[in-house]
Amino acid sequence: DAGVIQSPRHEVTEMGQEVTLRCKPISGHNSLFWYRQTMMRGLELLIYFNNNVPIDDSGMPEDRFSAKMPNASFSTLKIQPSEPRDSAVYFCASRTTQGRLETQYFGPGTRLLVL
Amino acid sequence: AQSVTQLDSQVPVFEEAPVELRCNYSSSVSVYLFWYVQYPNQGLQLLLKYLSGSTLVKGINGFEAEFNKSQTSFHLRKPSVHISDTAEYFCAVSSSQGGSEKLVFGKGTKLTVNP
Repeated sequence: DAGVIQSPRHEVTEMGQEVTLRCKPISGHNSLFWYRQTMMRGLELLIYFNNNVPIDDSGMPEDRFSAKMPNASFSTLKIQPSEPRDSAVYFCASRTTQGRLETQYFGPGTRLLVL
Repeated sequence: AQSVTQLDSQVPVFEEAPVELRCNYSSSVSVYLFWYVQYPNQGLQLLLKYLSGSTLVKGINGFEAEFNKSQTSFHLRKPSVHISDTAEYFCAVSSSQGGSEKLVFGKGTKLTVNP
């Protein structure tokens, strides 16, 4: 299996621009998680989906952030408009809910720099 | 709600020395506990997890951790480290009660193994 796939791996943009991060979970996994990692705040859960339905978005910092999961094999995290404080590494993770708290598998991350 | 404290932000050790990375958690309910490792420019990878049963958990790459409920700790140990163990290590907690799938991560401990 190819693992969790994220694109792009690196993104540099200017303040005010729209940014779209993409994630393809592992085939057969029905839960998907978006995390943000910064030096100051560590690793934070932004939102997670079960069976393509958003379950908890309490970690989404503000209305500039939105996430969608139109089908079981694709999710996006959008920032519009972007700000310098959004600079971070964004991780996507997926897992199956078939077992007892199955392991989350992480993608390689998208390193975002907003100038 | 749960929280995790990793007491050491950086731990330098020499090759073949033993290492202990400390993790304490706070929770009003019973928990599941995890250790993840992050190599440079990569996503997180599960080292080991405690769900129930034996309090001593063995993971990959020779690591083990011991769950101590009275001290609310889950310290990670390895008797002899290698240069390749240089990475950042994250402790995480999740409620064991049904319906809660969120992982709460500590801030991480950077382990540097020197020759």
